[in-house]
Amino acid sequence: AQRVTQPEKLLSVFKGAPVELKCNYSYSGSPELFWYVQYSRQRLQLLLRHISRESIKGFTADLNKGETSFHLKKPFAQEEDSAMYYCALKRYGGSQGNLIFGKGTKLSVKP
Amino acid sequence: EAQVTQNPRYLITVTGKKLTVTCSQNMNHEYMSWYRQDPGLGLRQIYYSMNVEVTDKGDVPEGYKVSRKEKRNFPLILESPSPNQTSLYFCASSHGTGENTEAFFGQGTRLTVV
Repeated sequence: AQRVTQPEKLLSVFKGAPVELKCNYSYSGSPELFWYVQYSRQRLQLLLRHISRESIKGFTADLNKGETSFHLKKPFAQEEDSAMYYCALKRYGGSQGNLIFGKGTKLSVKP
Repeated sequence: EAQVTQNPRYLITVTGKKLTVTCSQNMNHEYMSWYRQDPGLGLRQIYYSMNVEVTDKGDVPEGYKVSRKEKRNFPLILESPSPNQTSLYFCASSHGTGENTEAFFGQGTRLTVV
């Protein structure tokens, strides 16, 4: 079964502290994974995708096939990072739009 | 400006009164889908469409209908809404293929069924 698990509903850190949002997946084959972010009262938007190996707003995420994980990391959290974060997996045979989402993790960065 | 537009943004209705939430995209995307977002459950896909006249059920299709008569539009229809369909709904679109395609989301429609 294809599945995405985000074990933390809420993650609270202080400004300047490192942050790691966990994501584990279940998928047979080579997965395509993404992180989407939803700031307060805004639409979801793509943050980054594993295939691009990019760093956006200081965030990075590395695909670890051995641990079936795709954790999102940032060395120094900022208050503007406070948002809802969703890990997503592209369904087998689907386009980029056919995604399975985790339940999300709410990140709160305190001053 | 490339965008996905949903209407209405907010809607309060009564049980059993048919309603339609519209979704339109101006990016010539083949793929469109509907999600509902509920606290603690994240985003769950309701229906998706891979192109005009091609639709299929997602994970939670019960109580919903869709149609894809034109490429740009993908309305979500609730024939007989019930209180358990109170939720935040998102429409999304993307190209059907390609490595670097991105799913674009609408601003959401907050539906309350009383």
